Amino acid sequence: AQTVTQSQPEMSVQEAETVTLSCTYDTSENNYYLFWYKQPPSRQMILVIRQEAYKQQNATENRFSVNFQKAAKSFSLKISDSQLGDTAMYFCAFMPTGTASKLTFGTGTRLQVTL
Amino acid sequence: DADVTQTPRNRITKTGKRIMLECSQTKGHDRMYWYRQDPGLGLRLIYYSFDVKDINKGEISDGYSVSRQAQAKFSLSLESAIPNQTALYFCATSDQQQGTRGYTFGSGTRLTVV
Repeated sequence: AQTVTQSQPEMSVQEAETVTLSCTYDTSENNYYLFWYKQPPSRQMILVIRQEAYKQQNATENRFSVNFQKAAKSFSLKISDSQLGDTAMYFCAFMPTGTASKLTFGTGTRLQVTL
Repeated sequence: DADVTQTPRNRITKTGKRIMLECSQTKGHDRMYWYRQDPGLGLRLIYYSFDVKDINKGEISDGYSVSRQAQAKFSLSLESAIPNQTALYFCATSDQQQGTRGYTFGSGTRLTVV
């Protein structure tokens, strides 16, 4: 079974600054996918970024980027130029390849962006 | 209209009552899931269905049942609600071909059992 660990329950960052959210996972799989989801106060789950484990290049989506370290089983999310709208709960999630795969989530990090 | 619709959005019910949470989707996805979110625990899988005739238990299925009435509809029932089933419940969908691109989530049902 896979496990996903987010060791930072809460974080705070000032507007325009950069913040990094940590995520580690445990798996015996070699091929898999990793995700970061954002849950704002509206509680909608929004996909932020996705990484394919077989790709060495780190995924980037505008101000959001990841640092994927496969050997260390680490998948951190960097948010640059933080904005007030980035205030949300962030969940890291793991999915192995295969037709019967399902998403496994971490416990989440609550990010507060302040003025 | 939302791609994945959950009803009700919020619900308060009494201990021992039977309650059904409903989910419908217009994505045309074959796979549907029910997750439960609790503070400090993240989202945990309750049940999932890969097609109309397929129902599978997730990691926390005790006290819950599901019905896949059609490809587009997947309901979750609490046969006899108890207070520790108070949580935020999410329905999600995915496509077998594109499932590795992540799920589409509904907006959640906040259930309170008193």
